[in-house]
Amino acid sequence: EAGVAQSPRYKIIEKRQSVAFWCNPISGHATLYWYQQILGQGPKLLIQFQNNGVVDDSQLPKDRFSAERLKGVDSTLKIQPAKLEDSAVYLCASSLSRGGRTDTQYFGPGTRLTVL
Amino acid sequence: GQNIDQPTEMTATEGAIVQINCTYQTSGFNGLFWYQQHAGEAPTFLSYNVLDGLEEKGRFSSFLSRSKGYSYLLLKELQMKDSASYLCAVRSDSWGKLQFGAGTQVVVTP
Repeated sequence: EAGVAQSPRYKIIEKRQSVAFWCNPISGHATLYWYQQILGQGPKLLIQFQNNGVVDDSQLPKDRFSAERLKGVDSTLKIQPAKLEDSAVYLCASSLSRGGRTDTQYFGPGTRLTVL
Repeated sequence: GQNIDQPTEMTATEGAIVQINCTYQTSGFNGLFWYQQHAGEAPTFLSYNVLDGLEEKGRFSSFLSRSKGYSYLLLKELQMKDSASYLCAVRSDSWGKLQFGAGTQVVVTP
């Protein structure tokens, strides 16, 4: 079974530029998550989708970050314009359902973003 | 507020046992997860506890005490490949959202 796919793996941009990340979850997984992981910290949830609807985006900086999951499968996360503090690894995860007793999130390899 | 605390780093010798503690204060509780993360890689699932007690899975065991807001991950018969960061994460509601601790870097020495 294929895992969570993400691209690109690495991205370097200048501040104030735009960037987009792509995620394809495990086939059949209804729930998709985007996390931001700053060096030395644990992942922080940015946004959670259930199929193509947003469940939680309370920690998404909506003035510069946006995300969509139009057909309930793959998803894109965009930053416009980027700031230096956005330098981090952006992890995508998916799970079969939401919050079930043994529901487990599976993570993709991440995109390492460096903002100069 | 909501808080998940774990030690920053632990060092142990190959073949030994290491216990990584995690304490949490969250608005709700619907399960605690442990993930392993090697440098530059994605977190991978290790264990899940929702009821009090010990869950054993091979060389790894995880314990939970909900009344104390406490969990530990026990790594036995340490191998060099166990050198990694271990993340404690709490699911505080029924929507699946995880709150992560900062991770404990385990260094295994020969």
